Amino acid sequence: AQTVTQSQPEMSVQEAETVTLSCTYDTSESDYYLFWYKQPPSRQMILVIRQEAYKQQNATENRFSVNFQKAAKSFSLKISDSQLGDAAMYFCAYYQKAAGNKLTFGGGTRVLVKP
Amino acid sequence: GAVVSQHPSWVICKSGTSVKIECRSLDFQATTMFWYRQFPKQSLMLMATSNEGSKATYEQGVEKDKFLINHASLTLSTLTVTSAHPEDSSFYICSARDLRTGRTEAFFGQGTRLTVV
Repeated sequence: AQTVTQSQPEMSVQEAETVTLSCTYDTSESDYYLFWYKQPPSRQMILVIRQEAYKQQNATENRFSVNFQKAAKSFSLKISDSQLGDAAMYFCAYYQKAAGNKLTFGGGTRVLVKP
Repeated sequence: GAVVSQHPSWVICKSGTSVKIECRSLDFQATTMFWYRQFPKQSLMLMATSNEGSKATYEQGVEKDKFLINHASLTLSTLTVTSAHPEDSSFYICSARDLRTGRTEAFFGQGTRLTVV
């Protein structure tokens, strides 16, 4: 079974600075997708960014970018120019169409943004 | 992105009663819906997967007779917690996906906080 590991329970960042969240996963498949979801205090899950495993180019969405290292099975999220609204829980997730179409989530990293 | 509406946002019920949570896809057809449970400061734990018109597939350790899932239409799935007890108090989240489109994103409801007293 696929597993997703987020080794940082909590990260703190100064407003306008950059923070990087780590995520590693375990799979024997070559075709899959990786996601970062944000869960603010409202607890609504919000998709931040998506990466297709077959793409070598790292995905970016405005201030959010990933460093996808397929061989190392690593998928880190970088938040640049951190804003107060970025404070939330961030979950890394793995998806493979053949695996029952389920999302497998990591344990989450809480991001605190200091003004 | 697509919108998934979950209702109610919060509910308090007495021990021994049943409570129903609805999950609706508002602007797309959801061939598949997923139900999660989230404990405080923890990740989402998948409870079951439901495909429209079929019986739900439950994850190991989830009591199917306690957590009844119905997915009778392409826009509505319901989770009924039967004979609820205080240990069932939790945050429940649904997500939906239309597998026919090939899109990989799952869209999430706002969640339901269940408190059993």
